[in-house]
Amino acid sequence: GAVVSQHPSRVICKSGTSVKIECRSLDFQATTMFWYRQFPKQSLMLMATSNEGSKATYEQGVEKDKFLINHASLTLSTLTVTSAHPEDSSFYICSAMERGVYNEQFFGPGTRLTVL
Amino acid sequence: RKEVEQDPGPFNVPEGATVAFNCTYSNSASQSFFWYRQDCRKEPKLLMSVYSSGNEDGRFTAQLNRASQYISLLIRDSKLSDSATYLCVVNQGGGKLIFGQGTTLQVKP
Repeated sequence: GAVVSQHPSRVICKSGTSVKIECRSLDFQATTMFWYRQFPKQSLMLMATSNEGSKATYEQGVEKDKFLINHASLTLSTLTVTSAHPEDSSFYICSAMERGVYNEQFFGPGTRLTVL
Repeated sequence: RKEVEQDPGPFNVPEGATVAFNCTYSNSASQSFFWYRQDCRKEPKLLMSVYSSGNEDGRFTAQLNRASQYISLLIRDSKLSDSATYLCVVNQGGGKLIFGQGTTLQVKP
């Protein structure tokens, strides 16, 4: 089946630093990738939709200047958390839809971010 | 009102029990429906899609009622390995998935 990887799997950083998370589709081309955030004991919340070659679409309440998304190729999307603060600590998960296949998303294993 | 609502549980059941989870969604224009399973500190994994005609996959049966905007999942003959959080998920179009908060199942020996 289709595989999506994320890197890093876990990151701990100091408040004020920026953190970049990569999401890669390993064996298929993904025209659309999605970024989710999950706080403890809560469900996944969609942050933004990332389309290859165009600007990401952010959900209401998600700051686009704080969560920078780049989808420069059909296999890679990146999420950069700029000037991270402790309240940004969360589980960040990406998913990808294969080009031409619209009824299934493949999820990455997630990145656990802890901001001290 | 949440877009997708589930009873968070937890549901604690003995092995072999039958357990049912329910879910309601608010957007009548939602296009497709799924149940995902999420283990602790892992990504969600697709369990099954849900259709109005009802569909079954082994011990799992899912049902969709569009008129009531209601989705269900039935697990028969529960196994210890079924312990997880079950997420009701609605596709609002364009791949935009809305997740319920999940229902936690704990199957005990």
